[in-house]
This record gives sequence, C-alpha cells and structure tokens, in this order.
Amino acid sequence: QVQLVESGGGLVKPGGSLRLSCAASGFTFSDYYMSWIRQAPGKGLEWVSYISSSSSYTNYADSVKGRFTISRDNAKNSLYLQMNSLRAEDTAVYYCAREVGSDLYFDYWGQGTLVTVSS
Amino acid sequence: QSVLTQPPSVSGAPGQRVTISCTGSSSNIGAGYDVHWYQQLPGTAPKLLIYGNSNRPSGVPDRFSGSKSGTSASLAITGLQAEDEADYYCQSYDSSLVGVFGGGTKLTVL
Repeated sequence: QVQLVESGGGLVKPGGSLRLSCAASGFTFSDYYMSWIRQAPGKGLEWVSYISSSSSYTNYADSVKGRFTISRDNAKNSLYLQMNSLRAEDTAVYYCAREVGSDLYFDYWGQGTLVTVSS
Repeated sequence: QSVLTQPPSVSGAPGQRVTISCTGSSSNIGAGYDVHWYQQLPGTAPKLLIYGNSNRPSGVPDRFSGSKSGTSASLAITGLQAEDEADYYCQSYDSSLVGVFGGGTKLTVL
C-alpha cells in the first residue's frame, strides 16, 4: 500500500535551516508529482511547493519562494524540502503528498512532521 | 486569508444533510480548474474525499457528494453521522500553477 513517511522536523531558531525528508513506498515514485503542504497550529492547510516526476518543474508559494527548495531522488524514492532563513511563521506540521499530476489533487498524504521556529 | 473562501463552521443533527461552500475566482475555480475536497479528522492527516469536482475515491461513502458551478463549488453530506465530525477543506489550482486551499470548515454533529 502507498506509504509516505516524513522526517526531519524539530525546533530551530529564527534564521536557521532544516531539511525535511519524505520516504515513499508502495508505488512507482518516479511516475508522480509530489508536493509539500503545511498546517500551522490550529490553522488551515497551505500548499508550499511541488516538483514534477523528473524534477523538471518546481513551483513555490510566495511565502516561501527564495527560502525553500524542493528536490527528489527517484533512485531513493525520497522527497526533500530544504528550508533556509526560517521564520516564526514557518512553524507548522509539514505534510508530503502524492499529487495526481493530470488533475492536480493529492491522493495520499504522510502523517506529517512538526517544524517549530522559535528562539 | 485563504484564496478559496469557506464558512468557518457548519453543524447538523444526525441523519440531516449539510452543505459546505467553496468560493474562488476567475483565476482558479472560474478558470476551469477542478475542485477537490479533503476530510481531516482530529489529530490526523487530511484524507482525499472528493476529486475532480464530484468523484469519490474508493471507500468513500456515497453520502458525500461534490459539485461545481462557475467560480464556486460545494460539498454535500447526507445522512450525517457522528463520525463525520471533522474539518473539511476545498482545494484547487491557480492560473499561476500554485495550489490553493480554502480556510477549512469545521463540521459539528449535534
């Protein structure tokens, strides 16, 4: 069955960096777009970034553009999110999600990893 | 401020029908992008509920249905059950190819 398992979250100071990982299994990872979506405590969902199946295309929310970088390693069935210049408002649970590229929806989600930005 | 607008909360008694609206604009829903819905039970990750405006993934009861018209969409839940108490989110894409979500609607089963 499809499984997405995020890791790498934790407590980081403002201005710091963190790299999130998402390990995928149960499907042909290289066939799918993948996305990161976050949810601040007690708030709604916010799309963060996507990457195409071959890494040819990426896009970012304005709120993270220039600070976050999405990448993937199809040989390792893994998705990554490099987060730099972190701010308090980046505090959230970060979910990786499999995207159905043709129809632009997220059919499987991981359990999420919490990132807390605080001094 | 979310790009798609949903009511913050709705409620209904068991067995009743409730609807949740999702209003966008000409740059997202009105541009022809499909609307999708997710259910988030307390303390869990979101789960796909409706895709492509009105399609249910395998395993989703037919009590859940979706529709889209113009720049808006709606989710209907009939035969409300206690287990339906959750947060519901609509999602689409914007013409600049960024994903957009509604702010979420908390469903309370009275």
